[in-house]
Amino acid sequence: GQQLNQSPQSMFIQEGEDVSMNCTSSSIFNTWLWYKQDPGEGPVLLIALYKAGELTSNGRLTAQFGITRKDSFLNISASIPSDVGIYFCAGVPGQGAQKLVFGQGTRLTINP
Amino acid sequence: SAVISQKPSRDICQRGTSLTIQCQVDSQVTMMFWYRQQPGQSLTLIATANQGSEATYESGFVIDKFPISRPNLTFSTLTVSNMSPEDSSIYLCSVLRLAGKHNEQFFGPGTRLTVL
Repeated sequence: GQQLNQSPQSMFIQEGEDVSMNCTSSSIFNTWLWYKQDPGEGPVLLIALYKAGELTSNGRLTAQFGITRKDSFLNISASIPSDVGIYFCAGVPGQGAQKLVFGQGTRLTINP
Repeated sequence: SAVISQKPSRDICQRGTSLTIQCQVDSQVTMMFWYRQQPGQSLTLIATANQGSEATYESGFVIDKFPISRPNLTFSTLTVSNMSPEDSSIYLCSVLRLAGKHNEQFFGPGTRLTVL
């Protein structure tokens, strides 16, 4: 089945630094979604991408739908302590039913 | 976004017992799903909850272990049957809602299950 490879698995950065993470796949995806999960909570949708090449921002977050439809990245600029959490990419495969496939997650830790 | 509530938020259960988790959405949605998130892991789809018919299970998940109901468009239950410690996970309800021309998928807060 389809798999998403998300990297890095974890990041330790200083407050104020920019963050970049990405997801890749050998299969084509029609939709890319980025979620953030805080401890004890469900994932919260940050950005949704529906078109190859699409670049979308949500405050300090920017995500892009790769032109090949096989990858996506998420950037966070000027990180702040509340950015700490686990970030998941998720995609809807190019064929078949609407079933999200999730990446393994990127755990972000910020040193103040 | 959709407002999704789950009950209970957490529970500690004994081996061999069953637990039913409820999911309530604030408005009608096109699709409802149940996911499992094992400790330190990503999310795995258990099944799609179909309104008025049997749920559609993913490979590795069966109805006898995870019976699901969806009596209407805003409510679903997931039962974890005959539990063992390996069932200790977070169970998440998720819904698909049409937003403009596209579908967006939202998650409930999760039910944290510990089986002793």
